[in-house]
Amino acid sequence: GAGVSQSPSNKVTEKGKDVELRCDPISGHTALYWYRQSLGQGLEFLIYFQGNSAPDKSGLPSDRFSAERTGESVSTLTIQRTQQEDSAVYLCASSLGRDGNYGYTFGSGTRLTVV
Amino acid sequence: KNEVEQSPQNLTAQEGEFITINCSYSVGISALHWLQQHPGGGIVSLFMLSSGKKKHGRLIATINIQEKHSSLHITASHPRDSAVYICAVHKNNDMRFGAGTRLTVKP
Repeated sequence: GAGVSQSPSNKVTEKGKDVELRCDPISGHTALYWYRQSLGQGLEFLIYFQGNSAPDKSGLPSDRFSAERTGESVSTLTIQRTQQEDSAVYLCASSLGRDGNYGYTFGSGTRLTVV
Repeated sequence: KNEVEQSPQNLTAQEGEFITINCSYSVGISALHWLQQHPGGGIVSLFMLSSGKKKHGRLIATINIQEKHSSLHITASHPRDSAVYICAVHKNNDMRFGAGTRLTVKP
């Protein structure tokens, strides 16, 4: 597609439920990043995918968080047993390559509210 | 101490003024990005720099690798420039973000 597409745009879920967030990157972008932005906070790195390499999961805050990406296509971020502190905007970005030497395109984000 | 420090945190300017936002970082980086986040949360990548200076319209970004410092300048500022401007440095596989500078340009 022309841009990075994320769905849903808004998600309200009950504490303890699992949620799945989707990111559809720009076609041809091998690098895909997930970030989150909690209310009033800065952006926080979660996970990075580059092509078929093993993902860099160093930013995932707990083992309740996981993400998958098949090849250079869609990625899903799954949060199990959601907690109120998981409420945030989850942003996806894609890029042509690694090392940050290519421009990034951000999706419009998924606003997750855990009640 | 954060790895990426931005200043000022908040900035209010009158339309037409020249704006400067500063970013200092303490880690080795492969690239530095300036991002713009409008109310409502959408993020736009403005510049990616690894050296020197880039210009796009009324926006100019500079970086000094030796001093680990970058500046974002806005010439002839306009109310539509009101947004949060975020400096992000790319280190290894991830980005480290500054806390952002909230710019308000008054007509």
